[in-house]
Amino acid sequence: AQTVTQSQPEMSVQEAETVTLSCTYDTSENNYYLFWYKQPPSRQMILVIRQEAYKQQNATENRFSVNFQKAAKSFSLKISDSQLGDTAMYFCPLGGGTSYGKLTFGQGTILTVHP
Amino acid sequence: NAGVTQTPKFRILKIGQSMTLQCTQDMNHNYMYWYRQDPGMGLKLIYYSVGAGITDKGEVPNGYNVSRSTTEDFPLRLELAAPSQTSVYFCASWSPLGETQYFGPGTRLLVL
Repeated sequence: AQTVTQSQPEMSVQEAETVTLSCTYDTSENNYYLFWYKQPPSRQMILVIRQEAYKQQNATENRFSVNFQKAAKSFSLKISDSQLGDTAMYFCPLGGGTSYGKLTFGQGTILTVHP
Repeated sequence: NAGVTQTPKFRILKIGQSMTLQCTQDMNHNYMYWYRQDPGMGLKLIYYSVGAGITDKGEVPNGYNVSRSTTEDFPLRLELAAPSQTSVYFCASWSPLGETQYFGPGTRLLVL
């Protein structure tokens, strides 16, 4: 069975500062994907960034970057120059491999950006 | 492209009532999913489908049924609603050629 653990229930950061959200996972698959999704109060699930396990290079997307440590099964998200619109719940689901695209979610981290 | 659409947006049910949550996608994705999200929690997979006529259980299937007669539609049926089914329900679709799952806006269900 696959598991995802997000050990930080809540985080806060000042506008324009940098914050890192943690995520660890467990899987027996060799070929899998990791994602960070953002869920604002509207409840819409918005893809932030994606990482393929076979790629050693960490994914980046504008102000968002990941630190993917495959051996340690760790997948953290760094948000630079935090903006008020980054306030949301963040999830790091695990998918791919032989799972027909099914995603396994952790409990999420609520991020609040303060002005 | 509308992407993944869900109806209704919000519904209140009485205990024991039944209802169908509708989900439609216009991206011609073979894979579709139903997740539920309880307050303050992550999403859990209820059922999924890998194509028309093929469905399978996820992590929390009890109390639900699904069907997939077309590529576009994947309705979720709740029989004999219970308070434990109070949740937000998300439908999603995916293509193995694509980057990620696309989620609908969710249906909030309250069972009283």
